[in-house]
Amino acid sequence: AQSVTQLGSHVSVSEGALVLLRCNYSSSVPPYLFWYVQYPNQGLQLLLKYTTGATLVKGINGFEAEFKKSETSFHLTKPSAHMSDAAEYFCAVSGPLSNFGNEKLTFGTGTRLTIIP
Amino acid sequence: GAVVSQHPSWVICKSGTSVKIECRSLDFQATTMFWYRQFPKQSLMLMATSNEGSKATYEQGVEKDKFLINHASLTLSTLTVTSAHPEDSSFYICSPGGEQYFGPGTRLTVT
Repeated sequence: AQSVTQLGSHVSVSEGALVLLRCNYSSSVPPYLFWYVQYPNQGLQLLLKYTTGATLVKGINGFEAEFKKSETSFHLTKPSAHMSDAAEYFCAVSGPLSNFGNEKLTFGTGTRLTIIP
Repeated sequence: GAVVSQHPSWVICKSGTSVKIECRSLDFQATTMFWYRQFPKQSLMLMATSNEGSKATYEQGVEKDKFLINHASLTLSTLTVTSAHPEDSSFYICSPGGEQYFGPGTRLTVT
C-alpha cells in the first residue's frame, strides 16, 4: 500500500522568498513520485516527476524536488516565489509501471500556497 | 502538449436524475482511463480504472452500478452518475493514460 503525507495544508510566503512544500511518502515498492499544481476550477498540471536516476528533479515554472530515500521525502522547492505560483499543490506516488504502462496514483491532501505581495 | 477535454465543465442536476460526463483525449490515444473525484478542499481520490473495451475496475467503496464507466474507444470515455444525490456533488476528473494528463474536471452539483 502507498500513502502520501503533505505537511501543512496552507503555506504563505512573500513574493521573492523561497517556497518549500513538504511531502513524505510510504511505499512498499520503489516509488514514482509526482508534484502537481491545480489552479482554481482547473485540472491538474504535472510540475515534475521522479522515476529513477538523478534524485534532484527539475520541473516547469522553476520548481524542483529532491527524492531522499532515507527520509522518504520528496519536498518541492522554488528559489523565488512569484504571484502566479499561488495555487493548490499535490504530491502523489505510484508504483512502477504496470503491464499497461501506467499505474494509479495516490495523492496527498494538498497544500494551498499563498503568495504575499 | 496533449489536450484532454471534459464535457460539461459544470452541471447542476436534480436529485434522482442521471448525468453523463465525457472525457476526450484530443491528440493522443489512451488504452487506460482513470476517473477521480475531488470533494471540496480534499485531494483526488481514484474511483475506477478502465481499459478500452473492458469493464472498469472500481476502488473499494465506489458503487459500480451508480458510477457507470464506458471506455468504448481510445479517445473517449464516459462516466455516468446514475440516480444522483447531493452527496455525489463533487469535482470529477479524468486522466487518460494516467500520470501525465488530466482533464480540466467537471463540477457536479446535485440539488
